[in-house]
Amino acid sequence: GQQVMQIPQYQHVQEGEDFTTYCNSSTTLSNIQWYKQRPGGHPVFLIQLVKSGEVKKQKRLTFQFGEAKKNSSLHITATQTTDVGTYFCAVRSRGGATNKLIFGTGTLLAVQP
Amino acid sequence: ETGVTQTPRHLVMGMTNKKSLKCEQHLGHNAMYWYKQSAKKPLELMFVYNFKEQTENNSVPSRFSPECPNSSHLFLHLHTLQPEDSALYLCASSQGLAGRQETQYFGPGTRLLVL
Repeated sequence: GQQVMQIPQYQHVQEGEDFTTYCNSSTTLSNIQWYKQRPGGHPVFLIQLVKSGEVKKQKRLTFQFGEAKKNSSLHITATQTTDVGTYFCAVRSRGGATNKLIFGTGTLLAVQP
Repeated sequence: ETGVTQTPRHLVMGMTNKKSLKCEQHLGHNAMYWYKQSAKKPLELMFVYNFKEQTENNSVPSRFSPECPNSSHLFLHLHTLQPEDSALYLCASSQGLAGRQETQYFGPGTRLLVL
C-alpha cells in the first residue's frame, strides 16, 4: 500500500543546534501536512503545503515542499527544549475518501539542554 | 485544548472484557476518525465517519466496532481484544468538506492495556 517514509527515525541534538526531518513519497502528492506530537501528547497540526517548491516559515521552523511534490522537509533553526517531540508528515491517501490521511513514520527529536 | 475530548484516558482490560471508548468533538465538525498508535509504528487509521456514515474501514478486525450516533460523538466498542491491541487510541475530527485534505484535530487519546 501507499507508504510515506521519514528520515531520520530519531535525532538527538544539543540545544541551539539545527534539525531537519525529511518526508518522502513514491507518488506525487497533492499537498502535505506536518504535525507535532509532544511526549505523552497527541498530534497537533503545524502547517499544510500545497504548491510545488513552496516554502513556509513559522518562527524557527521552515517547511518546504519539493519541486516534484514527492518530498518535503521541516527544518528547525537553533533548537530549544520545547521542540522535543515526534514530527509527522501526513499526505492524502490515493483512492478512498478524500479526508483519509496517511501519516509518515515520524521523526523523534530529543534536545539536550 | 478541549476541542476534542476522549474518555477514559487510561484503560486496562482483560481479553474477555467488553469496554467502550468515547470521543466527543465541540468544533462543529462533520468528519471523525479513529487511529491506533503503537510503539514503533506509524499512526494507523482505523475508521472514518463523514456525516455519521462510515466511509472507511481500514481492514480493522471485527473485535473493534465503531459507532457514530451523531456528528459530535464517536465510540469504539471493544470485545475480546488481544494483548497486541494494547496501544494509544486517538480520535480526531475535521470539517468534513469534500475534496479537501483538511486539518485534523486530535483528542488526547485513550491508552489501552490488554492483559
